Amino acid sequence: KAGVTQTPRYLIKTRGQQVTLSCSPISGHRSVSWYQQTPGQGLQFLFEYFSETQRNKGNFPGRFSGRQFSNSRSEMNVSTLELGDSALYLCASGTGSTEAFFGQGTRLTVV
Amino acid sequence: DQQVKQNSPSLSVQEGRISILNCDYTNSMFDYFLWYKKYPAEGPTFLISISSIKDKNEDGRFTVFLNKSAKHLSLHIVPSQPGDSAVYFCAASPSGGYQKVTFGTGTKLQVIP
Repeated sequence: KAGVTQTPRYLIKTRGQQVTLSCSPISGHRSVSWYQQTPGQGLQFLFEYFSETQRNKGNFPGRFSGRQFSNSRSEMNVSTLELGDSALYLCASGTGSTEAFFGQGTRLTVV
Repeated sequence: DQQVKQNSPSLSVQEGRISILNCDYTNSMFDYFLWYKKYPAEGPTFLISISSIKDKNEDGRFTVFLNKSAKHLSLHIVPSQPGDSAVYFCAASPSGGYQKVTFGTGTKLQVIP
């Protein structure tokens, strides 16, 4: 059974640009969550989608948005990038009633 | 406001001894607690969980203890092995929810051969 796949693995963007990250969940999983990991901050919850609907949202500005498609694949978009957005972005999938399984993450560097 | 706290950023233990990782939380709505292990350049891997109706859950070398009155949980690894060297994240989610999980900042465990 394939795991959670995140693309791309690494990304370098310039301040002010926008970026889209992709996550393909484990087959059969309908819940996809996104997290931001920065040094000293641990993993901070961004949002969670279940069956194409945003079910939970963390405390991030509106520049961070996401969506989920009918095949449960999810994308996360960050607009008007800031230096502080440099982080490891992790996607996790689950059935919605069990623990989540994480992908390897996308390392975003904003210069 | 850090609702899940891991006050020890790092821990070193000799191989074969017990590793004890601690975690405190402040939100009394948390009902389900998890531990994840993370190696560099990989995503976190689920390790063990515990529901608030229990005070102990064991899985092989890993045992999680929950003290609800103290809002404290701990992960015991016995015996510790060099392959256990990783960053351990404590996490919690609210009643009935496994989705909006709040993570601690992690404890880096080093098991010395």
